[in-house]
Amino acid sequence: SQQGEEDPQALSIQEGENATMNCSYKTSINNLQWYRQNSGRGLVHLILIRSNEREKHSGRLRVTLDTSKKSSSLLITASRAADTASYFCATDDVRDFGNEKLTFGTGTRLTIIP
Amino acid sequence: ETGVTQTPRHLVMGMTNKKSLKCEQHLGHNAMYWYKQSAKKPLELMFVYNFKEQTENNSVPSRFSPECPNSSHLFLHLHTLQPEDSALYLCASSPRSMDRGESEQYFGPGTRLTVT
Repeated sequence: SQQGEEDPQALSIQEGENATMNCSYKTSINNLQWYRQNSGRGLVHLILIRSNEREKHSGRLRVTLDTSKKSSSLLITASRAADTASYFCATDDVRDFGNEKLTFGTGTRLTIIP
Repeated sequence: ETGVTQTPRHLVMGMTNKKSLKCEQHLGHNAMYWYKQSAKKPLELMFVYNFKEQTENNSVPSRFSPECPNSSHLFLHLHTLQPEDSALYLCASSPRSMDRGESEQYFGPGTRLTVT
């Protein structure tokens, strides 16, 4: 599987419900980031969690990181139609120190049904 | 928008054409990137520039030629492309810092390239 592989590949929920997406990775990391992409547009950075952190919040977003399992989850609470987008996790590998390189997953396509 | 602009937004070119994609960032960042995004594939890193120096070439075919004249501008020169090169090409920038917490990237809107 790819470094930074999201699960599920696609998710449809009703507006107001919570959406949870998962990401698995393979190597040791400095940090893990989540990005959002609206159709055919650039990616927008949502949140960064460092390898020594276990949980982080930003507005309606909650990210967890389990480095022993090499996995992360992104929770969006009280979803809105505007949350419809693709969500990607990206990892900053410890071996790439000094190169500022991220490895992205294949993404989860989230659809919020009004 | 995010402070990273890309032109053109859409480009259709034949396999024998030569064209260039342009990226400009107004964020004062020192690292810039080119990515290729194809349908149902992970985002593929193509090139990385730190302080105008190329630090990563991710086995990209020579028909793609990057240029970074200064830390605000990045070009991708294209020649004799193949139909499988059709994709969304994204430019990004990030602060260049020894603090590993500053590796978030800021993306432009992309150029949708179609090779006919």
